[in-house]
Amino acid sequence: RKEVEQDPGPFNVPEGATVAFNCTYSNSASQSFFWYRQDCRKEPKLLMSVYSSGNEDGRFTAQLNRASQYISLLIRDSKLSDSATYLCVARGNKLVFGAGTILRVKS
Amino acid sequence: NAGVTQTPKFQVLKTGQSMTLQCAQDMNHNSMYWYRQDPGMGLRLIYYSASEGTTDKGEVPNGYNVSRLNKREFSLRLESAAPSQTSVYFCASSEVTGQGGEKLFFGSGTQLSVL
Repeated sequence: RKEVEQDPGPFNVPEGATVAFNCTYSNSASQSFFWYRQDCRKEPKLLMSVYSSGNEDGRFTAQLNRASQYISLLIRDSKLSDSATYLCVARGNKLVFGAGTILRVKS
Repeated sequence: NAGVTQTPKFQVLKTGQSMTLQCAQDMNHNSMYWYRQDPGMGLRLIYYSASEGTTDKGEVPNGYNVSRLNKREFSLRLESAAPSQTSVYFCASSEVTGQGGEKLFFGSGTQLSVL
């Protein structure tokens, strides 16, 4: 079983839609969590950290559920430019990346 | 700021050949990393260096060696390339952010094919 698991997608959504991704992690000692964004054939870039109380950055909201060991990312009012692969990351004694969820926003 | 500079961008090797991937960062970060990314596998850590002069194995170190030449540079060497090492390689450095966070800065990647 992978330490961090994500639905690979793709999620195909129209512009303006709200879309949510979940990610589960198996290491209960994981302490920090992040979402990275990766455009096709590019390097990953930090989208946002995930805090225990949940946090929001513009159209993006991240939530953490430690009891169920999952992290979520909600994107509201999707834009064409949101099309990318979203990587879930958990840190215990090391950073572990999920394989990513592909989002395609269509006009 | 250049950030993390990684070379080469593309490389084709024959089985058994050797090569070194170069990485340099200009952000004065202590920690540096080498990852490989394969379809459906996510990013997997090959080696990392928490500070100048130290290196440690990651999840998939076999077939690789690294050298932390100084604080800026962290190179990855394939001594005898194998087709299983065909992958996209990313170098990264990191800084600690507030609230216990950590931000990785990645190089633009090296697409390596071993025939």
